[in-house]
Amino acid sequence: GAGVSQSPRYKVAKRGQDVALRCDPISGHVSLFWYQQALGQGPEFLTYFQNEAQLDKSGLPSDRFFAERPEGSVSTLKIQRTQQEDSAVYLCASSFPARPPYEQYFGPGTRLTVT
Amino acid sequence: GDSVTQMEGPVTLSEEAFLTINCTYTATGYPSLFWYVQYPGEGLQLLLKATKADDKGSNKGFEATYRKETTSFHLEKGSVQVSDSAVYFCALLGSSNTGKLIFGQGTTLQVKP
Repeated sequence: GAGVSQSPRYKVAKRGQDVALRCDPISGHVSLFWYQQALGQGPEFLTYFQNEAQLDKSGLPSDRFFAERPEGSVSTLKIQRTQQEDSAVYLCASSFPARPPYEQYFGPGTRLTVT
Repeated sequence: GDSVTQMEGPVTLSEEAFLTINCTYTATGYPSLFWYVQYPGEGLQLLLKATKADDKGSNKGFEATYRKETTSFHLEKGSVQVSDSAVYFCALLGSSNTGKLIFGQGTTLQVKP
């Protein structure tokens, strides 16, 4: 496909369960970003990869959140012991250049609902 | 820290009306500025961008001018269509140099025929 894809599109988890969200960036894109979008709000930055290196994880809200991109392409965002406040849409974006102005291409998101 | 403030919505207009969605920012240095649009059921799409003061970004009839003196990047369109109904996000490239975007809270636009 030509765009960024994310799976699953929807995920319902019981509080306390672990979840894994997948992002397939556009082929050849060096930079990959994860954002969290709460209902009615703008996306908020979680973490950034350049190839396989995680260069910025300042937005991860707690140590329950973990992201990886082991081969510099597909990325997984893992949330351990989910809480209700984790309910949000998780967006992945990728960008070809490794320097500004970083035109980012977004995937459709994964809507996580924690019950 | 860096931040973006957008006018609150929803904004409801009749077809062919003039649109303005206000956006102001706070940032160190001279950030790049963006407008993204989110159509119902779809992902965020880049609408337009400006990378330095006085630049005008434009796309699909939308325009925004980077005003350093007023720290603003207001989105305008001369004649909206029903198909423009969406949520619009103003964003800036944060000063951390890692490419993270800082978004406003979004403004919902509803265009009625």
